[in-house]
Amino acid sequence: GAGVSQSPSNKVTEKGKDVELRCDPISGHTALYWYRQSLGQGLEFLIYFQGNSAPDKSGLPSDRFSAERTGGSVSTLTIQRTQQEDSAVYLCASSFRRQGAREKLFFGSGTQLSVL
Amino acid sequence: GQNIDQPTEMTATEGAIVQINCTYQTSGFNGLFWYQQHAGEAPTFLSYNVLDGLEEKGRFSSFLSRSKGYSYLLLKELQMKDSASYLCAVMDSNYQLIWGAGTKLIIKP
Repeated sequence: GAGVSQSPSNKVTEKGKDVELRCDPISGHTALYWYRQSLGQGLEFLIYFQGNSAPDKSGLPSDRFSAERTGGSVSTLTIQRTQQEDSAVYLCASSFRRQGAREKLFFGSGTQLSVL
Repeated sequence: GQNIDQPTEMTATEGAIVQINCTYQTSGFNGLFWYQQHAGEAPTFLSYNVLDGLEEKGRFSSFLSRSKGYSYLLLKELQMKDSASYLCAVMDSNYQLIWGAGTKLIIKP
């Protein structure tokens, strides 16, 4: 596609339920990021995929969060046993590569997650 | 720890000039980015600075002083469509992007 696509755009769930968020990066982009954005806060890094390398999971806030990237393309972020503090906008971004002088990220429009 | 500071909110008048400041303290430096984010939309890239000085791109300019840990985004001839949040981000020595909380810019007619 022309840009980074995320689905769903909005998700309302009950506390304790599992949710899956999907990201379809720009074709050919080897790097994929997941961020969380809460109101009035900066972007919080969650996880990073680069090609076939092991993902950088250092930003995942707890073991309830996991992500995978199949075939170097589509990625799914899974949150198990959701809590109210998980409510935020989850943004996905992709880029051609990570290291280098100019890593411009292309962002999706995000998934607004609301945990009731 | 690593820290990016920028004002929470600014107000300016259509047609005027506004300067949004960003100060940072990070582990190493591999460049500073500015992104624009309209409400409910994806952040979009505006500028990248890795050397000291001013980079001009149309109505928008970005300045960097590495010795002072300081950058600003300058917006000229403000238009109503410039109402958005402006995010400052620094790439540290591990090529991790550290993000500021963003500055909400309100443009009044």
